[in-house]
Amino acid sequence: NAGVTQTPKFRILKIGQSMTLQCAQDMNHNYMYWYRQDPGMGLKLIYYSVGAGITDKGEVPNGYNVSRSTTEDFPLRLELAAPSQTSVYFCASSYSSTAPEQFFGPGTRLTVL
Amino acid sequence: GQNIDQPTEMTATEGAIVQINCTYQTSGFNGLFWYQQHAGEAPTFLSYNVLDGLEEKGRFSSFLSRSKGYSYLLLKELQMKDSASYLCAVRDKGETDSWGKLQFGAGTQVVVTP
Repeated sequence: NAGVTQTPKFRILKIGQSMTLQCAQDMNHNYMYWYRQDPGMGLKLIYYSVGAGITDKGEVPNGYNVSRSTTEDFPLRLELAAPSQTSVYFCASSYSSTAPEQFFGPGTRLTVL
Repeated sequence: GQNIDQPTEMTATEGAIVQINCTYQTSGFNGLFWYQQHAGEAPTFLSYNVLDGLEEKGRFSSFLSRSKGYSYLLLKELQMKDSASYLCAVRDKGETDSWGKLQFGAGTQVVVTP
């Protein structure tokens, strides 16, 4: 199993550009999450999904969109990138509500200039 | 929501013991988690407490007191590779009391010195 994979690893965007961060998992997990982590801070939940076709907002959803058309994939879309979106983005997944562990991808380091 | 507090940094020597405290305030509690995060890497799961008491897993132990809104992570026989950030996270109760979102503290940077 590859676990949770994310692409790209690094990206530099100009203000106003858009991009999609890709996330995929091959563990047949129902629950998937997107977090951002700013330097010296904990992770903040952006969006999450409890299954294909179902998504909901987390703590900091503004400026982002998600979709979940399959169990495996959970892309995060940034529209009109802003410097405040410079961060490290982690995708994670877990099997169910009773499984405590979230498995994290390696992260995408995004800089908006 | 939750308010989660943990110390910013702790330093200890190799072979010693370090205790990382975490206090939280929550409107609905459904589990407390500890994750380890090495610099430039993703967090990895260490422990999970949902009932009061101590959970031991090798050199790492985690304790929870729900009435006090308090947890600690105990790292014994410290090794250089234990230098990392340790994140405390609390899960709230969802709308159906079955699942809720995780909220993370800012993390405690543990520095292990020779």
